[in-house]
Amino acid sequence: AQKVTQAQTEISVVEKEDVTLDCVYETRDTTYYLFWYKQPPSGELVFLIRRNSFDEQNEISGRYSWNFQKSTSSFNFTITASQVVDSAVYFCALSEALRGATNKLIFGTGTLLAVQP
Amino acid sequence: KAGVTQTPRYLIKTRGQQVTLSCSPISGHRSVSWYQQTPGQGLQFLFEYFSETQRNKGNFPGRFSGRQFSNSRSEMNVSTLELGDSALYLCASSLGGRPGELFFGEGSRLTVL
Repeated sequence: AQKVTQAQTEISVVEKEDVTLDCVYETRDTTYYLFWYKQPPSGELVFLIRRNSFDEQNEISGRYSWNFQKSTSSFNFTITASQVVDSAVYFCALSEALRGATNKLIFGTGTLLAVQP
Repeated sequence: KAGVTQTPRYLIKTRGQQVTLSCSPISGHRSVSWYQQTPGQGLQFLFEYFSETQRNKGNFPGRFSGRQFSNSRSEMNVSTLELGDSALYLCASSLGGRPGELFFGEGSRLTVL
């Protein structure tokens, strides 16, 4: 069965600190997708990134970076120089790469990030 | 470009009643997915529709159903409501060729009394 674990329920940091959100996943599939979504207080989930199981290259987008390690089944997300606007719940998710099933996401329980000014 | 629109935003029902929620996807998006979000169970996949056909279904009882119309708009229905159905119901649309890249609406918050 597929499962996504986000062990950190809540994290509080002060602005400009770096913060890493952990994500560990379980799947028997050899091909799959991993995702991160952000849910700000307004409630609307926002897509941040998708990773294909064949692509273990780390990715950086501005202050955001992602570290995908198949050996440890982890897909961690780091925010550098955090800002108050980063305060949100962050969800890690997994889906099969099978055609027609890629939008059936298994979400973790989320990590609430609070960035204090 | 308008985002995903869900109606109603808030509603209160009593046990045993039924409810219909509506979702208008982003123009051009043919896939619509529904998710239930609760404090206890988190985000759970309900079903996905593509070109008026149910493509995937989650592990929910038959009281939960949905459909999609030819203009890609979708509705979900919950019959014989139970207290545990109180949740935020999120609709998401997506464009083909971008697996799992979902555009979510603000949700319909259902309270069952």
